[in-house]
Amino acid sequence: EPEVTQTPSHQVTQMGQEVILRCVPISNHLYFYWYRQILGQKVEFLVSFYNNEISEKSEIFDDQFSVERPDGSNFTLKIRSTKLEDSAMYFCASSEESGGVGEQFFGPGTRLTVL
Amino acid sequence: QQQVKQSPQSLIVQKGGISIINCAYENTAFDYFPWYQQFPGKGPALLIAIRPDVSEKKEGRFTISFNKSAKQFSLHIMDSQPGDSATYFCAASGNTDKLIFGTGTRLQVFP
Repeated sequence: EPEVTQTPSHQVTQMGQEVILRCVPISNHLYFYWYRQILGQKVEFLVSFYNNEISEKSEIFDDQFSVERPDGSNFTLKIRSTKLEDSAMYFCASSEESGGVGEQFFGPGTRLTVL
Repeated sequence: QQQVKQSPQSLIVQKGGISIINCAYENTAFDYFPWYQQFPGKGPALLIAIRPDVSEKKEGRFTISFNKSAKQFSLHIMDSQPGDSATYFCAASGNTDKLIFGTGTRLQVFP
């Protein structure tokens, strides 16, 4: 069964450093998302991406964040200058259709620890 | 108005019992209500979803009940099993792809 994959599974970084989290969405999916989950809290939407453009972003997704689909398979989330409060589990998701019609399939997540 | 309120925060059920988790929303533009199951160290996985045109949807032991007028929906797990022990999130979306998640319910099913 096709699945969303994410690398690395765990990333430790120093405050102020840049990190890039990588995702490989399901191959025939066209809509891509990033969510985050601070330990013990709910899953929060960060950004949605379609046709090489951001469709929607949350208040959390400020200028420190960017997303990119550098090739036909990868989808990345970059945090330019990490803060302690960026420590969280980051989930990539993808769907075949949009607007709540298509099921969003989530990857296993990348645990980001900012020291 | 974008919030989805979920209760209880945790739930302990005996094997074979019924687990019930409730969610409430305010935004009447929401038109898609999925439930996700999350095991430790894993991403959320879609369990079952409903749209407001029906009041109930059943898939195996899992049932969503939906009350549009009260703006509430709930997940019922019949014949709960130890393998159902996980965190369950309700969510909602409408007009956009953004899923608004509830705060989660940690379910523990004891043999």
